[in-house]
Amino acid sequence: GAGVSQSPSNKVTEKGKDVELRCDPISGHTALYWYRQSLGQGLEFLIYFQGNSAPDKSGLPSDRFSAERTGGSVSTLTIQRTQQEDSAVYLCASSKGYEQYFGPGTRLTVT
Amino acid sequence: GQNIDQPTEMTATEGAIVQINCTYQTSGFNGLFWYQQHAGEAPTFLSYNVLDGLEEKGRFSSFLSRSKGYSYLLLKELQMKDSASYLCAVSNAGNNRKLIWGLGTSLAVNP
Repeated sequence: GAGVSQSPSNKVTEKGKDVELRCDPISGHTALYWYRQSLGQGLEFLIYFQGNSAPDKSGLPSDRFSAERTGGSVSTLTIQRTQQEDSAVYLCASSKGYEQYFGPGTRLTVT
Repeated sequence: GQNIDQPTEMTATEGAIVQINCTYQTSGFNGLFWYQQHAGEAPTFLSYNVLDGLEEKGRFSSFLSRSKGYSYLLLKELQMKDSASYLCAVSNAGNNRKLIWGLGTSLAVNP
């Protein structure tokens, strides 16, 4: 079946612009996660959605970052007023049990 | 604080056995995960340990000692395609879905 998909695969933006990253989880997966991975680094947790519960936003690095999940399915991560340090690969994952299934990621470059 | 330690890099020879260690200090424990990540790709699930002992899955095995805060991933009959980063992650919450990630161990398998 279809896996987790993310769009765009690559995004180059100018400093100060806003960007939106999209994640389509696997159908039926109630949990959805956003992570950030900088070059050669581990995964940095950003936010976690579980069903209809309030999301766990404890990993968002600043108030420029926000995310929503509509209808318990598609999620959008928004970064406002992008900075160069936001450049990274943004990974989305979904799960039904303990195994997380990752999407291919969006490579964000802020110039 | 929460901390996961694993070696940064390892090298091994094709056909050999390699053990990748992971030590953790977390406020709680509800399972330990190993993921494989090839360069430029998303992580993929390898194993999950919640009880002490060895879990074997083909060429890969994972061991856990909760009292020591220690795990290892054992890769047997190494193949060139095993060259990748291996990520250790711990769930410290009642729901085992929000993970704390190590920085990963980059394994190079040489012919």
